[in-house]
Amino acid sequence: SQQGEEDPQALSIQEGENATMNCSYKTSINNLQWYRQNSGRGLVHLILIRSNEREKHSGRLRVTLDTSKKSSSLLITASRAADTASYFCATDRSNAGKSTFGDGTTLTVKP
Amino acid sequence: DAGVTQSPTHLIKTRGQHVTLRCSPISGHKSVSWYQQVLGQGPQFIFQYYEKEERGRGNFPDRFSARQFPNYSSELNVNALLLGDSALYLCASSLGGGAAYNEQFFGPGTRLTVL
Repeated sequence: SQQGEEDPQALSIQEGENATMNCSYKTSINNLQWYRQNSGRGLVHLILIRSNEREKHSGRLRVTLDTSKKSSSLLITASRAADTASYFCATDRSNAGKSTFGDGTTLTVKP
Repeated sequence: DAGVTQSPTHLIKTRGQHVTLRCSPISGHKSVSWYQQVLGQGPQFIFQYYEKEERGRGNFPDRFSARQFPNYSSELNVNALLLGDSALYLCASSLGGGAAYNEQFFGPGTRLTVL
């Protein structure tokens, strides 16, 4: 079974609103990465957060990590229609390259 | 710099055939990983190769094999194809080696359809 689980499975919001996606995992990790995927194509790397980090920012993206709860969240602020995609979290127990993915959150941003 | 490249983009095969998928990593990256993504699910780890050696294998049957070449490119081979092998096959590259926190960068994938 997959290590990570994203919540919610689907999210629909209006342009300009914030979107929050959550990820839970089962075992200890070395790092956690968030990816975006458009229409079943390749994954675009968004952010890597290390197990000793609690929060990371990149542009309109904010990622938090709570290792005590084995959970992470991805916040997209001021969403745009172009943010419509599937978002996946992936965990690595050692170094990257053997990632375990959840089944993703499908985000729809309506113009 | 070019990103991760994969070939072919699409492939249609029939049950029982074999297939070879190819991947070229980002220049300077020595680690290549392969993932299978079935429609509606997240990617599942198949193999990781670093410096031409297998460093990890997911829960896939022996029909799946891979190798990495001296230029760090990689091939994924699948024998005796089954309908359930229909999926998007993703290749990812990372620096590998002693780097503790390696970001993975994915290619566009190869869409395999088994009829």
